[in-house]
Amino acid sequence: AQSVTQPDIHITVSEGASLELRCNYSYGATPYLFWYVQSPGQGLQLLLKYFSGDTLVQGIKGFEAEFKRSQSSFNLRKPSVHWSDAAEYFCAVGGVDMRFGAGTRLTVKP
Amino acid sequence: NAGVMQNPRHLVRRRGQEARLRCSPMKGHSHVYWYRQLPEEGLKFMVYLQKENIIDESGMPKERFSAEFPKEGPSILRIQQVVRGDSAAYFCASSQTPGQSTYEQYFGPGTRLTVT
Repeated sequence: AQSVTQPDIHITVSEGASLELRCNYSYGATPYLFWYVQSPGQGLQLLLKYFSGDTLVQGIKGFEAEFKRSQSSFNLRKPSVHWSDAAEYFCAVGGVDMRFGAGTRLTVKP
Repeated sequence: NAGVMQNPRHLVRRRGQEARLRCSPMKGHSHVYWYRQLPEEGLKFMVYLQKENIIDESGMPKERFSAEFPKEGPSILRIQQVVRGDSAAYFCASSQTPGQSTYEQYFGPGTRLTVT
């Protein structure tokens, strides 16, 4: 059965610092992988996705993620965090029956 | 192009009442998904529908919950005889045909159900 683990429930970084959010997945075949962001009281916005090909994926808002099959990981990165990046981040795997991780809440310190 | 629309945005029901949540997919999308998000948790898949067909309802509770996506009109998630544990945010998403490189699910703003 497919599943997603986001080991970090809450992360705090200083504005301008780099960011890495971890995501590990379990899936029977080559997975479709996604990162979504959710601001308080809002729906989810897609940051980036991986289907196949280049394992380093560029997304919106300066985010990128790297698919590492050997580690079953799809970590999200950003070189310099902005205060507006404070939100909840969800990793997801699958297709029509998408499975979401529990989320990582990002706090940005001034 | 309007995004996925959900209404109402907030819904308050007393225990035992029925809740009806509506979702209009993006234009050109014929695939609809419903998710539930409990406080401090991620989204849990409930059901996947196409027009007039339930494709996968493996995440739906066995009782009181039902979903439909008629030929005309929005998709409806119906919860009968609501209980306090049904209080959550319910999100709808829509997509084009799965399996293509353009596939992604677009999410609506959600309906926040409160059962008193």
